[in-house]
Order: sequence, then C-alpha cells, then structure tokens
Amino acid sequence: EVQLVESGGGLVKPGGSLRLSCATSGFTFSNAWMNWVRQTPGKGLEWVGRFKSKTDGGTTDYLAPVKGRFTISRDDSKNTLYLQMNSLKTEDTAVYYCTTDLKSGTTPFFDYWGQGTLVTVSS
Amino acid sequence: QSVLTQPPSVPGAPGQRVTISCTGSSSNIGAGYDVHWYQQVPGTAPKLLIYDNNNRPSGVPDRFSGSKSGTSASLAITGLQAEDEADYYCQSYDSSLSAVVFGGGTKLTVL
Repeated sequence: EVQLVESGGGLVKPGGSLRLSCATSGFTFSNAWMNWVRQTPGKGLEWVGRFKSKTDGGTTDYLAPVKGRFTISRDDSKNTLYLQMNSLKTEDTAVYYCTTDLKSGTTPFFDYWGQGTLVTVSS
Repeated sequence: QSVLTQPPSVPGAPGQRVTISCTGSSSNIGAGYDVHWYQQVPGTAPKLLIYDNNNRPSGVPDRFSGSKSGTSASLAITGLQAEDEADYYCQSYDSSLSAVVFGGGTKLTVL
C-alpha cells in the first residue's frame, strides 16, 4: 500500500523559513518523480514543484512565484522528500501535499497524495 | 484566475448524468497535453479519478468517464450517487508557463 506522510507544517512569520518532510512507503521511491502541490481556499490547487528521479536526470522544476525561495530535495536512502521554504509570504499560506508521479509521462499527473500539512504565514 | 476554466458548481439528482467541463487554450489542452481529473471529498486529500483523458485507475467505478476535444475536456458521471458529492478538478500542463496547471474546481451537489 502506498503511503505518503507529510510533516513540518505550522505557523511562521512573514520572511521566515520552514522545512516540510514527506515520508513514503509502498513503492520504489528512487524511481518516482515526486511533487509538492498546495491548496488554498482562494486559489484552489496549485503545483509547487517537482524532483525527477535520478535516472531521469534528477532535476527540479518550480512554479514561478516560488522559484528562488523554495527548494525541493530528496533522500532516496530514506524514501523521503523535502520542501525547504524560505522568505515566506502570506500568500504561501496553504495546505501542502506531497504527491507521486509514477508514470512520468509527457503530461504529469499525481497518482497518490499524502494527507497534507498546513502552513500558515502570518505575523 | 485559474489557467483551466471549470464551472464553480454543478447540481444533479440521484441516478442522473452530469458533465463537468474544463476549458483551456492553445498552450495547454489545445497543444496536445493530456487532461487528468481528481475528486476531493471535503476534509480529505484529492484522489486521482481519470488520467490521460479517459483512463480510470484501478478501483474507480466505470460510472466516471473523461473525454477531450480541441482546447476542452469533460468529465461525465452517470448514475449519480450521494457519495459522488465532492469537488472535482481538472489538470494538465501548460507549455508557456512550463508548469502543471489545474482548473479552479467544480462543486458537485447531489440534490
């Protein structure tokens, strides 16, 4: 059974930093393209970024508004995905989901989702 | 404002057939990128419902089907049931944004 468990969310002041983790099991993590997707009441679902598998280049891609502030990393030995968020803004407030993209096709899609972790950016 | 446009809400009666539209442009759906659909019951994470325009993951009832034409796609649900009441999102990829894009979501209400 595929399981994705996010942690690390919480309340942080604007300009602050937070690191999210996503512990996974039930699939071959090293072969998977992993993503972060966030959800806000106002803007709905929004893709944040992805980390391709090492065999597919091991590169990252980001949504324009978070590029340079957010960094996605992965530890294949621990089957864990991370999202380092710096210079946080109030508009980054959202539930952050860790998702898999196991097909790694031309048009990505998200086979499995974690339960989400809430990040609130407020003074 | 989402890149993919969906109606905010769609009502339906039990047993009825409903469709939810997803309209894009020449840089996403019209460029040949596939469309995927997710179902989200309030308080839970989204769940993959349809992938690659018209394919159902294991466990998804055949009451759910998808189609794509030109710059648009549709999700159809037949034999509507109370448990189908949820939010539905379409998703694709946009080449001009170099990003995965979602629709704004459609709330399906079973009357």
